[in-house]
Amino acid sequence: AAGVIQSPRHLIKEKRETATLKCYPIPRHDTVYWYQQGPGQDPQFLISFYEKMQSDKGSIPDRFSAQQFSDYHSELNMSSLELGDSALYFCASSRQGANYGYTFGSGTRLTVV
Amino acid sequence: GQNIDQPTEMTATEGAIVQINCTYQTSGFNGLFWYQQHAGEAPTFLSYNVLDGLEEKGRFSSFLSRSKGYSYLLLKELQMKDSASYLCAVKGYAGNMLTFGGGTRLMVKP
Repeated sequence: AAGVIQSPRHLIKEKRETATLKCYPIPRHDTVYWYQQGPGQDPQFLISFYEKMQSDKGSIPDRFSAQQFSDYHSELNMSSLELGDSALYFCASSRQGANYGYTFGSGTRLTVV
Repeated sequence: GQNIDQPTEMTATEGAIVQINCTYQTSGFNGLFWYQQHAGEAPTFLSYNVLDGLEEKGRFSSFLSRSKGYSYLLLKELQMKDSASYLCAVKGYAGNMLTFGGGTRLMVKP
């Protein structure tokens, strides 16, 4: 079965650089979520999109932005990177009303040096 | 807001039974989820409870009491591969996002 695809798997950036993470949800899933998980921490909700419109906003810094495109893939854009942005970034997708929660992608490990 | 509490770590023996508790205080409740996460990997869905009672799925069962704001995940016949973090997550009324607890790191020993 198709899963949530994230790219790249690993990314190393320097401070003050920009990064773009991509997410391709499961076909027919209408909602995409972005989570940030620091070392030893639980996933923190950043932002979500339903049918290409932003639906909820969590603890996403102003330096970050995201969007969902017409083909339902989503991109998380991160600018002026800081050391503290080093984390696993998970994308998840779901279908509204489904009771199985989300399906998570394998994540992008971002390291800021 | 949401407040979700789980024990930080637990240790159990292979073949035994372990119960991981989760308590929550939320502004709204629309379901509770349990996820398993191995280090460096994505969380994988284990169970979903929205009504009071026990949901059984193979070696894993999950229980919910909405009046007490309490859930537990029961793992039977523990295997070494069950060593992982177990995340309790709550969906509120507003929005469709999940709020995760801090996770419980379970270590299964021979």
